[in-house]
Amino acid sequence: DAGVIQSPRHEVTEMGQEVTLRCKPISGHDYLFWYRQTMMRGLELLIYFNNNVPIDDSGMPEDRFSAKMPNASFSTLKIQPSEPRDSAVYFCASSGTEPYGYTFGSGTRLTVV
Amino acid sequence: QKEVEQNSGPLSVPEGAIASLNCTYSDRGSQSFFWYRQYSGKSPELIMSIYSNGDKEDGRFTAQLNKASQYVSLLIRDSQPSDSATYLCAVNYGGSQGNLIFGKGTKLSVKP
Repeated sequence: DAGVIQSPRHEVTEMGQEVTLRCKPISGHDYLFWYRQTMMRGLELLIYFNNNVPIDDSGMPEDRFSAKMPNASFSTLKIQPSEPRDSAVYFCASSGTEPYGYTFGSGTRLTVV
Repeated sequence: QKEVEQNSGPLSVPEGAIASLNCTYSDRGSQSFFWYRQYSGKSPELIMSIYSNGDKEDGRFTAQLNKASQYVSLLIRDSQPSDSATYLCAVNYGGSQGNLIFGKGTKLSVKP
């Protein structure tokens, strides 16, 4: 099993540009989560999906953020337009139905200059 | 507001000693508890889960849960320099998978 796969690993972009982060969950996992990690706030849940349907997006900071899961093997997190305060590490995680904990991807380090 | 609290550390222990990491949570309805290890620049990795009161042992790791006190801990016996990392406590507040709240983590440093 290749685990949760995220791309890109690093992204440097200028303020105002659109950024798209990608995630492939573990096959058979029906939950997918997007987290953001900063030193100040720790790990924050942005949004999660169950069977490709968004369940809770209350953690999405504002309308500049959007997420989709068009099928069971792919999800995107988009920021448009990006701002310097969006700089963080963004993690995707997936899990099965039982509360056995999540498996995290390697993360995308986003820097907005 | 549901919260998970951890001492940020750093917690420094000598090699071979027992490291004790603690976590408190705010909601008595919590059902599942997890410890993640995160090396610098890496992603969180699940190392222990515990669902009922008492102790659960896995190798050098022991998770302890006391629901009455809303307290969960992780003991690492015979600490090694390779255990130096940030340890994140996570609490699932509900029956569904979407209610996992993470603490900010305790940084552990094991000195040779």
